Amino acid sequence: DSGVTQTPKHLITATGQRVTLRCSPRSGDLSVYWYQQSLDQGLQFLIQYYNGEERAKGNILERFSAQQFPDLHSELNLSSLELGDSALYFCASGRTSGDNEQFFGPGTRLTVL
Amino acid sequence: QQPVQSPQAVILREGEDAVINCSSSKALYSVHWYRQKHGEAPVFLMILLKGGEQKGHEKISASFNEKKQQSSLYLTASQLSYSGTYFCGTVDTGAGSYQLTFGKGTKLSVIP
Repeated sequence: DSGVTQTPKHLITATGQRVTLRCSPRSGDLSVYWYQQSLDQGLQFLIQYYNGEERAKGNILERFSAQQFPDLHSELNLSSLELGDSALYFCASGRTSGDNEQFFGPGTRLTVL
Repeated sequence: QQPVQSPQAVILREGEDAVINCSSSKALYSVHWYRQKHGEAPVFLMILLKGGEQKGHEKISASFNEKKQQSSLYLTASQLSYSGTYFCGTVDTGAGSYQLTFGKGTKLSVIP
């Protein structure tokens, strides 16, 4: 158990819908990272927040957005969902904003029908 | 551009050794290694930084050749528990952040 929690574990929705994935980092960690893992694309970095502020942005679509709240939990919002958005979404947390080990949560499996 | 890992897959018998390689076309600040078992989240193994600093588990060894932009993970006397997919993640010196770019993974299967 990494200490990072993610909800929900599974999510099934339809194309065009909007969903919110939630992540709580390990106690004491200030950075939250979001990743998308699919069979063809592998593990792809989406976005990083540090202490409430966006720190780095990767291959995140405009239809996706994220934020980190004062209590350090983070939410990833996915809108206008397409079939290709079906994937495993991981959140990870790290102690600092720098180059540190990342602790991954159990993931949310999103299925878009 | 993501780093290239080799081999893509390897099967070992318990007790055998393996080397997993990770190669990038970009100048690297650091290399991370993670292991992911089927149906589980990736688990941190090691960070190798420019200048030779390493942070990670004592039983894992790895190398980082900054000039060649390559890293290798050494698995010795493999155990059944080593099975999983190993990912290297790289931090590019020119990225402006510490975001990780992961390779496609090396699937390691250890059999009795």
